[in-house]
Formats: sequence, structure tokens, C-alpha cells
Amino acid sequence: DGGITQSPKYLFRKEGQNVTLSCEQNLNHDAMYWYRQDPGQGLRLIYYSQIVNDFQKGDIAEGYSVSREKKESFPLTVTSAQKNPTAFYLCASSPSSGTPYNEQFFGPGTRLTVL
Amino acid sequence: AQSVSQHNHHVILSEAASLELGCNYSYGGTVNLFWYVQYPGQHLQLLLKYFSGDPLVKGIKGFEAEFIKSKFSFNLRKPSVQWSDTAEYFCAVTSAVGGYQKVTFGIGTKLQVIP
Repeated sequence: DGGITQSPKYLFRKEGQNVTLSCEQNLNHDAMYWYRQDPGQGLRLIYYSQIVNDFQKGDIAEGYSVSREKKESFPLTVTSAQKNPTAFYLCASSPSSGTPYNEQFFGPGTRLTVL
Repeated sequence: AQSVSQHNHHVILSEAASLELGCNYSYGGTVNLFWYVQYPGQHLQLLLKYFSGDPLVKGIKGFEAEFIKSKFSFNLRKPSVQWSDTAEYFCAVTSAVGGYQKVTFGIGTKLQVIP
């Protein structure tokens, strides 16, 4: 059963702690993305990766970090430098790099609450 | 810079009413256009996309969209909505920038269909 897995569904952390959100895909897609979804602001791109061991900053990368050591995995770390980390985080993938007409496939999301 | 505007943030319709959701983009080069839908409690999924050819594209569940290049628009339409169309709709544009796929989403439109 192919798809994108994000875990956990809900995550609570204390202010000042780093937290890592998991994203795994078994679709054999080259490109992976992280978005943040806030009410009234739509989806904003945090980081994206078109290929293993390569990633690019999106529109709101400050306070976040990523790695892409394996094709199927693209974890996102929310650091203590992120000023407003409480949000819904979505991971997505698409088939190949540099092909703009490919659609994106989305995971179920992780709702992060920082207390 | 690439941007997407969705003008209707919250739309309420009665069943059988016609729907048109506006989407305008700004980008000087070749773009590919998408509409995604997020039903309550479900993943974001593709509704339809345009990348070339006939500017009138048809998607799932009776939705269609028309690309009007001169107006930089890609409005979503459905002749007769159903209660099950209640969801949030996102317009997105992608373009190839420096060998990478640049993706930008609009802020979304929440559609509520009243039985």
C-alpha cells in the first residue's frame, strides 16, 4: 500500500526543545517537501528536496532544518529558534525533480503544539 | 517572485448551486497550475491540473478549471455542488526555477455546502 507516512499525528513539546517530525514515503519519488499550514495562510513551503543529499530552503525556512540521507525519508526538525512553532505540518512528495507538472502527494500531517 | 491569490476565503452555497472559485497567479514564465482539495479529516489530494494543451481541464467529481493566460487566472468551477463538496480548496502554481520545481500555494478557500 503506497503512500506517505507522517508520525506522530499529534505532538506536544515544551518551549525551547527541538523536535523532529518524521516523513516516510514508499512511492519511489525523488522530490519531497515540507509545508506548514496555518489558518488563513494556506500552505507555506519550509524546505524541499529534489534528490538525496540535496535540499533547498523554501519561503519560511528560518528555525527549521532537514536532512535527506535516504530517498524515502525527509525528517524535519523544528528548532528552538522557530518563534511560532505551533502549527500543522504537511509532508509531500512528487515523482521526479525538475518536472513542474508533476502533482504532489500529501501525508496526513502532524499537529505540533508547543506549550 | 511567484505568487498565487485566491480571492474567496470562505464560500457558503446551497446544494445544486453553481460554484466558481477564483485563482490568479503572478509569474512571467511558463507555469503549471493545480487545484487541490482537502476534505474534512482527509489528506490533501489533487483535483485537477493544467500544464499544456486545452486550457479547459476536467478533474474528479465534476470539477473543471479554465486557464486564461491573458488574465493569469485558473478559476475552478462546478455546475452543481453537493454537500459532499464541503472542503477546503487550494490553488497552486509550479515552475522550473534553476532546475528545481518551485511550488507556491494560495491561502485556500473553505467551501461549505448547505443541504
